[in-house]
Amino acid sequence: QVQLQESGPGLVRPSETLSLTCTVSGVSINSFFWSWIRQSPGKGLEWIGYSHFSGSHNYNPSLKSRVTMSVDTSNNQFSLKLTSVTAADSAVYYCASGGSGTLADWGQGTLVTVAS
Amino acid sequence: EIVLTQSPATLSVSPGERATLSCRASQSVSTNLAWYQHKPGQAPRFLIYGASNRAAGIPDRFSGSGSGTEFTLTISSLQSDDFALYYCQQYNTWPTFGQGTKVEIK
Repeated sequence: QVQLQESGPGLVRPSETLSLTCTVSGVSINSFFWSWIRQSPGKGLEWIGYSHFSGSHNYNPSLKSRVTMSVDTSNNQFSLKLTSVTAADSAVYYCASGGSGTLADWGQGTLVTVAS
Repeated sequence: EIVLTQSPATLSVSPGERATLSCRASQSVSTNLAWYQHKPGQAPRFLIYGASNRAAGIPDRFSGSGSGTEFTLTISSLQSDDFALYYCQQYNTWPTFGQGTKVEIK
């Protein structure tokens, strides 16, 4: 059974970088695609992007200039970095696994607030 | 960006009754549409892909239909565990989600 758990700071200051990690258990990260999704009251669910252990990735065009995702095969983790955050980036952030279009398994989500 | 519009926003249904949820796309997504169930504080659950294919372990009371721009998720006989938020999501282009339909107990 695939399990995913998000971790990272719950509070990030404006203009700084949001960094989150997703720890995967029950399956090798050398499979599937690994995604980040966020949910904010103002924008609903938003797919941020996905990565593959091979190094390929695809980012939401609206966030592409600020997003970096990576896969750490040695620790079975993948990560998200979002730079130059503003209050609009406050959201519950989810990590998930699946294909390049669907999300079969999700973490429970972690709330990130951008505030000074 | 493809916009998905779900209706109704809230659906009040009695246990044992049928629930029909709609999802309309702003342009054709073929059958590249998925459905998810989400309960507060829990991880979302993958229900349907390819508009009509149940994901692994999903009971057959859940069924999906449609193609192009009009899609439906039907729950044939609602059980207490089914009262939740439901989202559609397209993956014909960059993935986008609908705003959700809340299925509540009548």
